[in-house]
Amino acid sequence: DAGVTQSPTHLIKTRGQHVTLRCSPISGHKSVSWYQQVLGQGPQFIFQYYEKEERGRGNFPDRFSARQFPNYSSELNVNALLLGDSALYLCASSSGVAGPTDTQYFGPGTRLTVL
Amino acid sequence: AQSVTQLDSHVSVSEGTPVLLRCNYSSSYSPSLFWYVQHPNKGLQLLLKYTSAATLVKGINGFEAEFKKSETSFHLTKPSAHMSDAAEYFCVATRATGNQFYFGTGTSLTVIP
Repeated sequence: DAGVTQSPTHLIKTRGQHVTLRCSPISGHKSVSWYQQVLGQGPQFIFQYYEKEERGRGNFPDRFSARQFPNYSSELNVNALLLGDSALYLCASSSGVAGPTDTQYFGPGTRLTVL
Repeated sequence: AQSVTQLDSHVSVSEGTPVLLRCNYSSSYSPSLFWYVQHPNKGLQLLLKYTSAATLVKGINGFEAEFKKSETSFHLTKPSAHMSDAAEYFCVATRATGNQFYFGTGTSLTVIP
């Protein structure tokens, strides 16, 4: 079975631009979460979606937004890019039904570089 | 308060010797505890998960972790390190409400031949 897939794998943008990252969850999973991993740090929670509804939001500015589609895939959008947005963006999928005990399965990530 | 604290940013062991990666969690963050491993340029892979069924949890590749409520610890161990164990390890906790994962800052494991 296919795991979590993310596209693109790498992306280079300049300050002020907009970026869209995409994620497809494991088949049967209804929840998608997004994390930002800055080099040398642990991932930080950005958003979680379940059944197309936002279930949680981390401490990120409004420049960050996301949505989930009827097929449970998801997009993360970042507007007005800053140098500090350079990071590995991870998508994780889970069943969404087990609450805090739900295991999250991570994709390989999208490496975003902002110049 | 920090939700998850990984006490060592770097650990170096010789091949064939035991591995100990230490993790302490805040007492308000323990419905579930996880250990994930991240190899260079790879995604995060689940090693093991604690959900209160048993305090000693066995994971993949010979790793195990013991939940100690009195010490608020969830240390990861392996009896004998292998070269392929060299990677970044993350301790993760969740809270009683919500599904957000709270990651520690990571421990980089080096295995010396």
